Amino acid sequence: GQNIDQPTEMTATEGAIVQINCTYQTSGFNGLFWYQQHAGEAPTFLSYNVLDGLEEKGRFSSFLSRSKGYSYLLLKELQMKDSASYLCAVRDSNYQLIWGAGTKLIIKP
Amino acid sequence: IAGITQAPTSQILAAGRRMTLRCTQDMRHNAMYWYRQDLGLGLRLIHYSNTAGTTGKGEVPDGYSVSRANTDDFPLTLASAVPSQTSVYFCASSVSAGVGYNEQFFGPGTRLTVL
Repeated sequence: GQNIDQPTEMTATEGAIVQINCTYQTSGFNGLFWYQQHAGEAPTFLSYNVLDGLEEKGRFSSFLSRSKGYSYLLLKELQMKDSASYLCAVRDSNYQLIWGAGTKLIIKP
Repeated sequence: IAGITQAPTSQILAAGRRMTLRCTQDMRHNAMYWYRQDLGLGLRLIHYSNTAGTTGKGEVPDGYSVSRANTDDFPLTLASAVPSQTSVYFCASSVSAGVGYNEQFFGPGTRLTVL
């Protein structure tokens, strides 16, 4: 079967750095996405990785290792507005997205 | 309008009733998707359409049907609602369904409760 695993919840302090991990087992791989979802709102796109390595976009970075079936999202200089759920999704061999259950990130002052 | 709109925002429905959730996008995206999101579970694909005139089944299609008569609209119909269809429904679209970025853009969602 297809499976995306990520921690259910994480807590971090304002101004700090947090790393959210995602491991996957899917039928085929055509890219990995990270989305942010604030409570009661729609998911919004954060990053896309298809090759191994680190993609940096401002305070957010995303890393991919295809051989290990592993990705992480790194958030730096945390702000209160970063409190949200972070969703990992893999595009499989049918070009459909398989989604993890999401990691709820709680930021404390 | 800009982006994707969904209607209604929320709905309480009696079991056995028929219901159509509406989704419209103005980005001229070829691909559109319907997901449901339940607590503790990831988004699950119900149906998708790679281009106008074509549709396909996702992971959880039973009890749902879709149509794609034109590029902009992708309605989702529950023929006879059951309580297990209580969920938040998101419509999404992307430029295409193939390789490359093709990130999906999401509508604001419809919160459906079936009693």
